[in-house]
Amino acid sequence: ETGVTQTPRHLVMGMTNKKSLKCEQHLGHNAMYWYKQSAKKPLELMFVYNFKEQTENNSVPSRFSPECPNSSHLFLHLHTLQPEDSALYLCASSQDWGSGRETQYFGPGTRLLVL
Amino acid sequence: DAKTTQPNSMESNEEEPVHLPCNHSTISGTDYIHWYRQLPSQGPEYVIHGLTSNVNNRMASLAIAEDRKSSTLILHRATLRDAAVYYCPPARAPPSFGNEKLTFGTGTRLTIIP
Repeated sequence: ETGVTQTPRHLVMGMTNKKSLKCEQHLGHNAMYWYKQSAKKPLELMFVYNFKEQTENNSVPSRFSPECPNSSHLFLHLHTLQPEDSALYLCASSQDWGSGRETQYFGPGTRLLVL
Repeated sequence: DAKTTQPNSMESNEEEPVHLPCNHSTISGTDYIHWYRQLPSQGPEYVIHGLTSNVNNRMASLAIAEDRKSSTLILHRATLRDAAVYYCPPARAPPSFGNEKLTFGTGTRLTIIP
């Protein structure tokens, strides 16, 4: 257990559905991240939140909408996704962001399949 | 742009030491060097990190070159459970790296031969 939990662990959705992924960290960290891991591609950073403020949006399409209501919770709202969005979505947290020292702790991921 | 380069894959015999290299020639003076690994069907997990001096912990050792442009993760006695993808991602700092998407790198897939 890394102290970062994600729900659901698996999700199947149609292209017209709206769903949300949830991440919670119990480590007292101030920074949280969403990553996307597609088959045979590098682990790609999507968003970074530091002290509840979004500091990085790595050119992610607007059909992915993050939300960070507090430093312990992070959501990824999904709307009208495409089949190519099928991937493993990973959440991570670290003590801070941008210091060059941050050690990230990852959740187990949500395996998403878009039909 | 900060990048790291690693071999795509390596193999090692069980119970033998493994040396996984990483090149981070553009690292800045204050960025720490981190290593993570990802076991099958799991999220990445932290392995070790350091700044200038070599580091040891219960999982591995980290040897950092004197000029900090490269590092080596050392598994002293590989087991089958060490089969994973090992990453040494570039340190990130705002602002983001222009048009280049930020990634964790492709990592080294380590296969352990029984």
